[in-house]
Amino acid sequence: GIQVEQSPPDLILQEGANSTLRCNFSDSVNNLQWFHQNPWGQLINLFYIPSGTKQNGRLSATTVATERYSLLYISSSQTTDSGVYFCAVGPGKLSFGAGTTVTVRA
Amino acid sequence: GAGVSQSPRYKVAKRGQDVALRCDPISGHVSLFWYQQALGQGPEFLTYFQNEAQLDKSGLPSDRFFAERPEGSVSTLKIQRTQQEDSAVYLCASSPNYYNEQFFGPGTRLTVL
Repeated sequence: GIQVEQSPPDLILQEGANSTLRCNFSDSVNNLQWFHQNPWGQLINLFYIPSGTKQNGRLSATTVATERYSLLYISSSQTTDSGVYFCAVGPGKLSFGAGTTVTVRA
Repeated sequence: GAGVSQSPRYKVAKRGQDVALRCDPISGHVSLFWYQQALGQGPEFLTYFQNEAQLDKSGLPSDRFFAERPEGSVSTLKIQRTQQEDSAVYLCASSPNYYNEQFFGPGTRLTVL
C-alpha cells in the first residue's frame, strides 16, 4: 500500500501563531484528504485536495502531486485548532499517516 | 443534510462475545468503507462496498470479522468471539463513488474486557 508520512509528530503553538504541517506519500494518488480529529474522535473534513491549492478561512492546503507531498497551513491559530490532524491518500481506500498532534496554548 | 451515523457509539463486550456495529451512510452514496483506529494511531482500512457488493475485504484482520450491506445502504460490521486486541474505534465512511471525497461517521468505540 501507499506509505504516508506526516511531520512534525507534535506541534505546540501559542495562540495567534502560524504553522505548517507536511504530508509525504510514496506513490501517485488521485485522492488526498486532510482531516481534523476532534477530542470526541470525529474526523472533520478539512480539504479534498489531490492537487493544487485551496483555502478555507484560516486554513489553506497545497498538494504537489508530481513531488508527492501536501502542506496544510494554519494561520492565526486558536485554541479550538487543537487536536490531531491526519493526511490520508487514495485511490479509493484511504491510507492514513500517523497524524500531527497540535496543541494551541492561550 | 444528515451525515454518516453509527451505532452504538460505545460498546463494551466480554471476551468471546459477538458484537454488531451499524453504519448508516449518507443517502445516495454508492461507496461505503470501514476502518479500524487503534489508540494513538491513524485509521486503517478494513473493507469496502460498492452498493451491496463487497469488493475489497483485504484489511479484515481475521475470519472473525464479517461485514455486509445487503440492500446497498445500511452496513453492519460483525465481530465474532471478540478478543482484547479487537478493542479500537471502528469508523465508517461513505462517498459518492470510489474515488471521491469520503465522509466519516462518529465511530463506535469497542472495548473488550
